[in-house]
Amino acid sequence: SQQGEEDPQALSIQEGENATMNCSYKTSINNLQWYRQNSGRGLVHLILIRSNEREKHSGRLRVTLDTSKKSSSLLITASRAADTASYFCATQNSNYQLIWGAGTKLIIKP
Amino acid sequence: DAGVIQSPRHEVTEMGQEVTLRCKPISGHNSLFWYRQTMMRGLELLIYFNNNVPIDDSGMPEDRFSAKMPNASFSTLKIQPSEPRDSAVYFCASSPDGYGYTFGSGTRLTVV
Repeated sequence: SQQGEEDPQALSIQEGENATMNCSYKTSINNLQWYRQNSGRGLVHLILIRSNEREKHSGRLRVTLDTSKKSSSLLITASRAADTASYFCATQNSNYQLIWGAGTKLIIKP
Repeated sequence: DAGVIQSPRHEVTEMGQEVTLRCKPISGHNSLFWYRQTMMRGLELLIYFNNNVPIDDSGMPEDRFSAKMPNASFSTLKIQPSEPRDSAVYFCASSPDGYGYTFGSGTRLTVV
């Protein structure tokens, strides 16, 4: 089942610009994770943010989590052509299962 | 580590045939997941193993699907008989602790 809803569904920006993707969810969570999927490839784990964290950074990635609004955002700064991919959020509660969103398709134009 | 290894990368088979997908998880990872991805339904969890034991197979569509994990380094997903609606990309993922999965490159299955 899918809980997370990413928006926008698709995003096209110029190389060098920042890209922001959002994710909303419905139930309480233990953590929220962001993954990237290049066309025809498996998903790559980008970052995990726990429910008691509000912001996390990893290189050019910045993730925020607002549990009161049940939402998260993924910011990619200074985008590159190689960032073109689909980005998925997934929430995890106290058990193992990840609940996936439908993904945001990001296109970086050179 | 070579990551999660899946084989084959592509499989085209005729309706009614048996299909076996294979997965080698990352050494030391005690959780293994099989997912199916389609445009219509997105990512669906089929089955979850922990320490080689199936914990949750509620996502397995029907009896035509079966999965095994005979040891910590190998798992199979079998479809018998296959149907056109089984066409999808099947992913295997492993995790050391149930958080942060590592996915394989997937098997693209086409049933004609």
